Amino acid sequence: NAGVTQTPKFRILKIGQSMTLQCAQDMNHNYMYWYRQDPGMGLKLIYYSVGAGITDKGEVPNGYNVSRSTTEDFPLRLELAAPSQTSVYFCASSRSGSSYNEQFFGPGTRLTVL
Amino acid sequence: DQQVKQNSPSLSVQEGRISILNCDYTNSMFDYFLWYKKYPAEGPTFLISISSIKDKNEDGRFTVFLNKSAKHLSLHIVPSQPGDSAVYFCAATGGGNKLTFGTGTQLKVEL
Repeated sequence: NAGVTQTPKFRILKIGQSMTLQCAQDMNHNYMYWYRQDPGMGLKLIYYSVGAGITDKGEVPNGYNVSRSTTEDFPLRLELAAPSQTSVYFCASSRSGSSYNEQFFGPGTRLTVL
Repeated sequence: DQQVKQNSPSLSVQEGRISILNCDYTNSMFDYFLWYKKYPAEGPTFLISISSIKDKNEDGRFTVFLNKSAKHLSLHIVPSQPGDSAVYFCAATGGGNKLTFGTGTQLKVEL
C-alpha cells in the first residue's frame, strides 16, 4: 500500500494564480482531511470529507475549495492564491470518524505564494 | 485562541535518558488525546493516544499520562534514542474526527 500520496511536493505560485493540490489514498478510508501547517504553528483543519460526495468546512476554509467524487481522491483547490496561503499542506485519511481511528498523513505539499 | 498548548518549542536530551514532553489544554470537552511524531519532509505519524477515562497509557518506550484536573498531559520516552529526534505534536478531540493540534515540540536526542 502506498498509503496517502500527495502531489506536487513543492510549488511556487504567483498572487492570483490558481492550482489544485492532489491527494489520494489506497486504504479504502471513508474520511479524508486537508490541513495546513504554518511555521511554528500546529496543523489546522481546512476541509474534511466523510465519504464520496460529502464535504464540510474545518477551522480555516476561506480561500479553498474541495470535492470528493471518489473514495480514493480528495483534491484541494486554491482559486486566487494569496501570500497568506503560503504554508505546508497535509492530506490525511482515516477509516471512520471515530476518535479511536488514527489519521494517516501524506508527506505534504510545500506551497509558496509570491 | 490556542486550545492545545505545547509551551516548549524544543527539548534536548541525552541518549538513554528520559524525554518528557508536555501539553496543556483549555477545552473541557476534549475527551481523547493523541501524540503524533513528525520527521522533516514527512507527514505526522500516530504515536500513542489516551482516553479521558484513563490516566496512563503505555506502549513500549512511550507512556502518556493524563491529569484531567490540571488539563495537562505528558509524553514520556524511556530510554530516549537518536531516532526519536523529531517534532512531537499533541492533539485533542471532543469526540469524532476533528483534531485540534498543539504547536509542536522539537525533540533532539544527543549521543
